[in-house]
Amino acid sequence: EEHLLESGGGLVQPGGSLRLSCAASGFTFSSHAMSWVRQTPGKGLEWVSAISGSGDSTFYADSVKGRFTISRDNSKNTLFLQMNSLRADDTAVFYCAKEVVAGVHFDSWGQGTLVTVSS
Amino acid sequence: QSALTQPRSVSGSPGQSVTISCTGTGSDVGNYNYVSWYQQHPGKAPKLMIYDVTQRPSGVPDRFSGSKSGNTASLTISGLQAADEADYYCCSYAGSYTYVVFGGGTELTVL
Repeated sequence: EEHLLESGGGLVQPGGSLRLSCAASGFTFSSHAMSWVRQTPGKGLEWVSAISGSGDSTFYADSVKGRFTISRDNSKNTLFLQMNSLRADDTAVFYCAKEVVAGVHFDSWGQGTLVTVSS
Repeated sequence: QSALTQPRSVSGSPGQSVTISCTGTGSDVGNYNYVSWYQQHPGKAPKLMIYDVTQRPSGVPDRFSGSKSGNTASLTISGLQAADEADYYCCSYAGSYTYVVFGGGTELTVL
């Protein structure tokens, strides 16, 4: 059974940094692109960033470009999101999501980790 | 403001059908057959219900169906059940620069 488990969320001050992790199991991690998707409390979903299976290609939403960095360690089946210069409007639940090999949709999601940016 | 436009809420009685629309542009919904739909119950992670406009993952009831016309995709749920009450989000591929965009979500109420 496929499983994604996020960790690393918490309370951080504006301007601070946080690193999220997503541990994957139950599938061939390196064969799949992965994404981070966030959800502001009570609001909708927003795609944040994606990385190819090999890690060679990365993509970012304009709202996080230059502040967030996505990476992966295929030897440890783990996805990361380094978040710098955090702002109050980055407060959200962050989900990691697995993309299918052919197509662009997310067939597995983690349970999410809450990031709160506040002084 | 979300990139894709969905109605904020829809409702229906048990057994009835409802359709949720998702309007994008020629740069996303209208240009690619990579529209997906996700169901989210309160406090839970999203669940894939439809992909590639019309395809259902295994385990998703055939009461859920998807379609697309021009820049608008639609999710239809027939034979409404209480368990269908949830938020529904559409999503579309939007090219290698924008990647993917989500709709703002639609709250489905089963009366």
